[in-house]
Amino acid sequence: DGGITQSPKYLFRKEGQNVTLSCEQNLNHDAMYWYRQDPGQGLRLIYYSQIVNDFQKGDIAEGYSVSREKKESFPLTVTSAQKNPTAFYLCASSAGGDTGELFFGEGSRLTVL
Amino acid sequence: QKEVEQDPGPLSVPEGAIVSLNCTYSNSAFQYFMWYRQYSRKGPELLMYTYSSGNKEDGRFTAQVDKSSKYISLFIRDSQPSDSATYLCAMSPYNNNDMRFGAGTRLTVKP
Repeated sequence: DGGITQSPKYLFRKEGQNVTLSCEQNLNHDAMYWYRQDPGQGLRLIYYSQIVNDFQKGDIAEGYSVSREKKESFPLTVTSAQKNPTAFYLCASSAGGDTGELFFGEGSRLTVL
Repeated sequence: QKEVEQDPGPLSVPEGAIVSLNCTYSNSAFQYFMWYRQYSRKGPELLMYTYSSGNKEDGRFTAQVDKSSKYISLFIRDSQPSDSATYLCAMSPYNNNDMRFGAGTRLTVKP
C-alpha cells in the first residue's frame, strides 16, 4: 500500500530536549511538507522540500530543522529553541510543487512535559 | 484578520440532513480551492478540488466557489454518521507552498 508513514504516533519530551519525528513516503513524490496543527488554528507550514538535498522554510520554521537526504524521507527535529512545541505534527507529500493533492500521514502528537 | 476564516462549530445534524460548510478569505490571489476531511487523530484527506469560480459535484458532495464574494462552500447531501469529522478548507494562489488552511469545522451526524 502506498502512503506516508509517520512515527512515533505519540511522543513525550522533557523541556530542553530535542526530538526527531520521522516521515517516510513510498509514493515516489518529489515534494514533502511538515505542518503543525493546533486547536482553533489552520495547518501552518513549518518546512517544505521540492527535491532531495534542498528544503525551504515555511511560515513557522523557528525552532525546527529538517533534512532531505533521500527522496523517501523527510525527518523533522523539534529543537529546544521551539518555545511552544506541544502540538500535532503532520507530514505530507505531493507529486510536485504545483498545486495538487496533498497526501498526509496520520500525524505525530508531541507533548512537552 | 486571518487570511482564511472558518467557523469551528461544532455542528451537529441528524442523519439525512443537508450540511453546509463555509469559508471566507481575504486574499484575492487565491485560485485553487480544496476541502479536506480529517477524522479524529488522523491526517486530512482530500475531498474536493476546484480551480477558480464555479461548482463541482462528486456524489453527495458539492463544492462552490464565489471569488467575487471571496466565499467557498461545501454541501453534503443525505449526511451519514460516517461523515462525522472535521472539515478543513484550503486555498492557494499558485502552488502548495503557499497553501492556507482554515481552522476546520467539526461535524457530527447523529443516527
